[in-house]
Amino acid sequence: DQQVKQNSPSLSVQEGRISILNCDYTNSMFDYFLWYKKYPAEGPTFLISISSIKDKNEDGRFTVFLNKSAKHLSLHIVPSQPGDSAVYFCAASARTNAGKSTFGDGTTLTVKP
Amino acid sequence: GAGVSQSPSNKVTEKGKDVELRCDPISGHTALYWYRQSLGQGLEFLIYFQGNSAPDKSGLPSDRFSAERTGGSVSTLTIQRTQQEDSAVYLCASRSGLAMGNEQFFGPGTRLTVL
Repeated sequence: DQQVKQNSPSLSVQEGRISILNCDYTNSMFDYFLWYKKYPAEGPTFLISISSIKDKNEDGRFTVFLNKSAKHLSLHIVPSQPGDSAVYFCAASARTNAGKSTFGDGTTLTVKP
Repeated sequence: GAGVSQSPSNKVTEKGKDVELRCDPISGHTALYWYRQSLGQGLEFLIYFQGNSAPDKSGLPSDRFSAERTGGSVSTLTIQRTQQEDSAVYLCASRSGLAMGNEQFFGPGTRLTVL
């Protein structure tokens, strides 16, 4: 049973537009969520996170929204830039096992100039 | 360097051979993780070391897989009698402590190809 799901394997947007990447989870014990970005031949790098006590966290062009009742989070990138083209992974962890994160399968974002 | 390093970057081996993959975490990071990413798949958790505690081995796919972390620093992932389905990118990550806000820092990975 996959506890963290990213149902869109890929997303293509025009430069300057908004990119919205979605993530769903099933484990109600998850209370901390992270997004990582991965370029080819590199390891993932941390992008932004959100605690379950919040419903929004913003960092520059990146905003993560959390809907606990729907067990859904989304990453918004505005405006999208060609350098944002990468694979984005959603990850979740629970306070009861804070060291361990469960990752989704990733969404490949392509931003076209 | 300041980041997580892994070696080798690429490894090609024949089915049935043993391989060892190495990870050098960020100095001072107490937690170390191994993941693998098969083609077109997400990050599959393999094993997690935290300080001197017993490792969480719940993600190891079979008893052919094992890992050690010596002196709380360098880690080696060993795959015995490799199979073609072991072909994947093996990623190592380290983390400072257990605070919820601490993200994992990943190495560049080792691409393993089993012929």
